[in-house]
Amino acid sequence: GIQVEQSPPDLILQEGANSTLRCNFSDSVNNLQWFHQNPWGQLINLFYIPSGTKQNGRLSATTVATERYSLLYISSSQTTDSGVYFCAVNSGGYQKVTFGIGTKLQVIP
Amino acid sequence: NAGVMQNPRHLVRRRGQEARLRCSPMKGHSHVYWYRQLPEEGLKFMVYLQKENIIDESGMPKERFSAEFPKEGPSILRIQQVVRGDSAAYFCASSPPGEGYGYTFGSGTRLTVV
Repeated sequence: GIQVEQSPPDLILQEGANSTLRCNFSDSVNNLQWFHQNPWGQLINLFYIPSGTKQNGRLSATTVATERYSLLYISSSQTTDSGVYFCAVNSGGYQKVTFGIGTKLQVIP
Repeated sequence: NAGVMQNPRHLVRRRGQEARLRCSPMKGHSHVYWYRQLPEEGLKFMVYLQKENIIDESGMPKERFSAEFPKEGPSILRIQQVVRGDSAAYFCASSPPGEGYGYTFGSGTRLTVV
């Protein structure tokens, strides 16, 4: 099956700093999603982005499908950004997705 | 429009008992997916269902685990004769029919087997 690698595995930021999270995948994909799992365990869909660039407030994401990677940008980080960020991809004929192991982000005041 | 509803939020079972986890998808969503998350790990696919049909159960253990999504009512993930290794967070997600849509996750059920 498709392999999904995320980097870095762990990241500590000072509040206000910017960061880039990366997701590499081993095969062409039909869709790609970024999720944030907060410290209480809730999973929030941040972006559905099989290709191109999207922005939502301080977050933006870019997927370059031909080169098999996606980037999640967090600007002016806040403590509420802490948690685990997952990249999830689908390469089949339906919407079953495979998750990466995540990037654990801690934003300190 | 309520989101994906999972219950219970927390479930404690003794070894050998049965666990039933429920998931009501968002209104208009006909695809349901179950994932399991072990502590400090990512989410592992278990099963994908549509109404009255199991589409892909390649991630389900062969024994003790079953899932259904009846014509009426929520999707149910059933674990029979639970063991300590079943302790995990079980997440349900739903999506509309067709391609081009992302998942919406429920809040999960945290199963603890004692």
